[in-house]
Amino acid sequence: GQQVMQIPQYQHVQEGEDFTTYCNSSTTLSNIQWYKQRPGGHPVFLIQLVKSGEVKKQKRLTFQFGEAKKNSSLHITATQTTDVGTYFCAGATERNTPLVFGKGTRLSVIA
Amino acid sequence: NAGVMQNPRHLVRRRGQEARLRCSPMKGHSHVYWYRQLPEEGLKFMVYLQKENIIDESGMPKERFSAEFPKEGPSILRIQQVVRGDSAAYFCASSPGGQGRYEQYFGPGTRLTVT
Repeated sequence: GQQVMQIPQYQHVQEGEDFTTYCNSSTTLSNIQWYKQRPGGHPVFLIQLVKSGEVKKQKRLTFQFGEAKKNSSLHITATQTTDVGTYFCAGATERNTPLVFGKGTRLSVIA
Repeated sequence: NAGVMQNPRHLVRRRGQEARLRCSPMKGHSHVYWYRQLPEEGLKFMVYLQKENIIDESGMPKERFSAEFPKEGPSILRIQQVVRGDSAAYFCASSPGGQGRYEQYFGPGTRLTVT
């Protein structure tokens, strides 16, 4: 079945450093979504990418969808302590199939 | 606009008992999903429902687990004869449209502990 892999599993950064997490799918995706889960909290939707090669920005966050629609990345510029949490990517292969979540990248920010 | 609501937030059951988890979707959403999350793991899809219908239960264990979304009232995930391996966080999510196409809004989750 479809698999979505994320790396790294953990990332510790100093406040102000940049952070990137990568997401790879075993199959071509129709779209990819990113979620953030704070410690002890629930996943919160960040963004959805649909088009090949798409790039979207939200303040310090930059999201990319690969040309082949099999990989994606999330880059955070100048991390802050409020960025702490686990970032999940989730992909769907076709329009009416379940979202498959990666295992997430847990980000720690040291002040 | 109230978000997705789940109750109880924490549930302790002894082995062999039944667990009933409830989820009220966001207002205006008729698509509900249930996920299970183990510590340090991602979210594992269990089931997708619309009002009165199970659309996709490909992630649901074949035995002991069932889900419903009645015409009136919340969606319910029922786990019969719980075992220790059922201990996990169970999240419900809702969306304005069908799975895989729309963003999902998650509830706060129910943390199930089986003793």
